[in-house]
Amino acid sequence: DAGITQSPRHKVTETGTPVTLRCHQTENHRYMYWYRQDPGHGLRLIHYSYGVKDTDKGEVSDGYSVSRSKTEDFLLTLESATSSQTSVYFCAISTATNEKLFFGSGTQLSVL
Amino acid sequence: AQSVSQHNHHVILSEAASLELGCNYSYGGTVNLFWYVQYPGQHLQLLLKYFSGDPLVKGIKGFEAEFIKSKFSFNLRKPSVQWSDTAEYFCAVNARDKAAGNKLTFGGGTRVLVKP
Repeated sequence: DAGITQSPRHKVTETGTPVTLRCHQTENHRYMYWYRQDPGHGLRLIHYSYGVKDTDKGEVSDGYSVSRSKTEDFLLTLESATSSQTSVYFCAISTATNEKLFFGSGTQLSVL
Repeated sequence: AQSVSQHNHHVILSEAASLELGCNYSYGGTVNLFWYVQYPGQHLQLLLKYFSGDPLVKGIKGFEAEFIKSKFSFNLRKPSVQWSDTAEYFCAVNARDKAAGNKLTFGGGTRVLVKP
């Protein structure tokens, strides 16, 4: 498996609190992605990064921000968590946009 | 923007039966196509991909998929399934047009249950 570590693996938080999820890779891949997985919706792209300090929005970016200060780390922040953000969050990496994605093990986030 | 539609949300079949999962996409330009699989409790992993060339591509574990450009389809097939094929399957599309952005769009997924 590709060297991708997501932390935490599980988190329960309250509405209105800030939450940061971390994705760490040891593969030196240029591209990193944050997806959320919800029943019936498959995976939806939240944000992605094509290099250090280079990020762009995905299809469901509202309520989320990201930062990539180092190649190996891609942080996803929920500034003020809402119940609609209860989901499983997956980080993914790739060497190029047209190459396959390697996924992390996911973070189960519950917002009460 | 591209979109992906998987017609079946749930499929139940017996071992040794044949499997075909439908996938249609909407995008007018050139695309790359993927099928990913997620086994229970695991993360997604690539089954197969199509970039160009022979429209019939073979992947791991006996899966294959056929790209039919005129139908905007990329259906996944396996002639004889096993209990271990129980999983959720996702079709995904990546538009090659730079203007479309570097985004891989996933379908809603199809849960496949293979009964022993």
